[in-house]
Amino acid sequence: GNSVTQMEGPVTLSEEAFLTINCTYTATGYPSLFWYVQYPGEGLQLLLKATKADDKGSNKGFEATYRKETTSFHLEKGSVQVSDSAVYFCALSDPGSSNTGKLIFGQGTTLQVKP
Amino acid sequence: GAVVSQHPSWVICKSGTSVKIECRSLDFQATTMFWYRQFPKQSLMLMATSNEGSKATYEQGVEKDKFLINHASLTLSTLTVTSAHPEDSSFYICSARRGLYNQPQHFGDGTRLSIL
Repeated sequence: GNSVTQMEGPVTLSEEAFLTINCTYTATGYPSLFWYVQYPGEGLQLLLKATKADDKGSNKGFEATYRKETTSFHLEKGSVQVSDSAVYFCALSDPGSSNTGKLIFGQGTTLQVKP
Repeated sequence: GAVVSQHPSWVICKSGTSVKIECRSLDFQATTMFWYRQFPKQSLMLMATSNEGSKATYEQGVEKDKFLINHASLTLSTLTVTSAHPEDSSFYICSARRGLYNQPQHFGDGTRLSIL
C-alpha cells in the first residue's frame, strides 16, 4: 500500500543553520506530494507541493524536489529561524480506486530552532 | 486565499452530550471535505471523507453512528460527536479540497474537545 516515512525527530538546530528533513514514500500510482507545517495548538498549513516527477515546490525559503527515482521529497531550508519551530508533515495524495485522493501522512518531524 | 474556518476552537462538555463541529471553506467551493483526529504528538488519523450531497465514507474502525458527518453544501461540513465520552476527547481537524487529488487540502485550525 501507499506510505510515507519521515526522519525521526526532534531536530534541534541553531538559528541560521541548514535544514534537511528527509521524506520517502511508497506509492503504486502517480501521487502528488505535499509538505504541511503545524504550529502548536493549530491546524496544518500547506507549505509547498509538487504534482509530478522533478517538480520543485518552494515557499518561504523552503524547497522540496519530487524525485521519482529515489521516491523522495526531502524538505530543505538554507537558513532557519526561531519562528520555523513547528512540526512538519510530509504527505502524499493518492488517487486511489475511487479517486478521493486521501492524504497519507508521515509521522511528523518536530523542528526546534534555538537562538 | 483557500481559507478554512473551523468552529468552535475549544469545547468542554459533560459525558453523554453531543457536540457539533463546523467546518467552512470561506473563499472556495470544496468538492471534498475530510475529518481527522489527532492525538498528542502524533500524526493525523483520517476519520472520514465527505462529498457534498452524498454520504460520508468512513475509515475502518470509525463508528459512523458515533461520528455523524453532514456535508450540506459546497462550503459547509459538520461533524457531530454523539453521546460523547472521555475517550472521545481529542483534537479534531477538518480540511477542504477544491478539485481532484492533485490539489492540496486546506486545513482548519482544529477543535480541542474535552469530555468530562
